[in-house]
Amino acid sequence: LAKTTQPISMDSYEGQEVNITCSHNNIATNDYITWYQQFPSQGPRFIIQGYKTKVTNEVASLFIPADRKSSTLSLPRVSLSDTAVYYCLVRNYGQNFVFGPGTRLSVLP
Amino acid sequence: DGGITQSPKYLFRKEGQNVTLSCEQNLNHDAMYWYRQDPGQGLRLIYYSQIVNDFQKGDIAEGYSVSREKKESFPLTVTSAQKNPTAFYLCASSIKGTSGSTDTQYFGPGTRLTVL
Repeated sequence: LAKTTQPISMDSYEGQEVNITCSHNNIATNDYITWYQQFPSQGPRFIIQGYKTKVTNEVASLFIPADRKSSTLSLPRVSLSDTAVYYCLVRNYGQNFVFGPGTRLSVLP
Repeated sequence: DGGITQSPKYLFRKEGQNVTLSCEQNLNHDAMYWYRQDPGQGLRLIYYSQIVNDFQKGDIAEGYSVSREKKESFPLTVTSAQKNPTAFYLCASSIKGTSGSTDTQYFGPGTRLTVL
């Protein structure tokens, strides 16, 4: 399983764009990248998933460079309710999910 | 209203007692999972089941047991053999993963177990 590295914590202010970068130097050809969001005392919630280039949905964008050794989750115009832990996972279909400690995002007023 | 339910939300038990955590899903998902989360940590896989009447150990199965008698149910028993059971327990489900398919895991709200 590819290991991932992400910042332990980040601070931002309301209305700003937040970019969280995840490193996955050993990503395999068939691996894809998934991001989850977790609020305190709740289960993680799927945000976005991608394999290469750029993926966008109503919540976030995911940027993946050509070498796929990293990926960046972009949250546009964050609000206080975006304060949460964000997990980056790299895996192949059918493999188990491996959750690291994630990135704790604090959005300040 | 589709989703995954876990009960109870909070559970207290005395040391030495077994306790069973409930997990039910009506998403018609084949696979179900149990995770444990300790404060400030990521999730660790306890057990998973890809199909009814079959389950596999995860990374930290010692002191836990599961059953999968029905597709929609995957209860977890925390036994007295689990040395440090106080934690937040999360259940998840997904469509059975195959290459080219989407096997995103959907999580329940969790059960917080405290051993007194």
